[in-house]
Amino acid sequence: NAGVMQNPRHLVRRRGQEARLRCSPMKGHSHVYWYRQLPEEGLKFMVYLQKENIIDESGMPKERFSAEFPKEGPSILRIQQVVRGDSAAYFCASSPPFGEAFFGQGTRLTVV
Amino acid sequence: AQSVTQLGSHVSVSEGALVLLRCNYSSSVPPYLFWYVQYPNQGLQLLLKYTTGATLVKGINGFEAEFKKSETSFHLTKPSAHMSDAAEYFCAVSPYTGTASKLTFGTGTRLQVTL
Repeated sequence: NAGVMQNPRHLVRRRGQEARLRCSPMKGHSHVYWYRQLPEEGLKFMVYLQKENIIDESGMPKERFSAEFPKEGPSILRIQQVVRGDSAAYFCASSPPFGEAFFGQGTRLTVV
Repeated sequence: AQSVTQLGSHVSVSEGALVLLRCNYSSSVPPYLFWYVQYPNQGLQLLLKYTTGATLVKGINGFEAEFKKSETSFHLTKPSAHMSDAAEYFCAVSPYTGTASKLTFGTGTRLQVTL
């Protein structure tokens, strides 16, 4: 059973471009969570999704950020018109309902 | 609202010495507490968690932590450090057991192990 897969592992974008981060949960996991880790900081909750539903997006910035978890395929975190302050490591975790969560290795986004 | 404070952003110990990483939390509901380890350029791995029951929790790699409600603490310990323990350690709190939903993390403690 493969772990939580995130790709790409490293992503470089110029200011103003779009960034798409993908997360494939573990087999049998229907819950996905996205966290952001800024340099020298702990992880901050962004959004919690179940298949085709956003359950809690209280940690998502109001503009430019969106997330989805379609019926088929990976969860996508999309950042439009990236700025330097978006440079961070973005971690995805997945879990079954009320089960233990497992984290992916993260996507390190660098905005130049 | 919940918060986590990890005292000491960097801790250095000699190989074979006791490891003590401090974590204090604030929670308006009975907390569920977690310790995660992050190796360089890796994701987070769960070391141990406290939900209910026994307050001394044993985890992987010889780590354990004790939940002390009166002190609002959940310090992580290991009797004898090994070089492979060098990593960053995060304490986290959640109002929900077993899930990663809305985990609130501390800022982390980087553990260095020297010969």
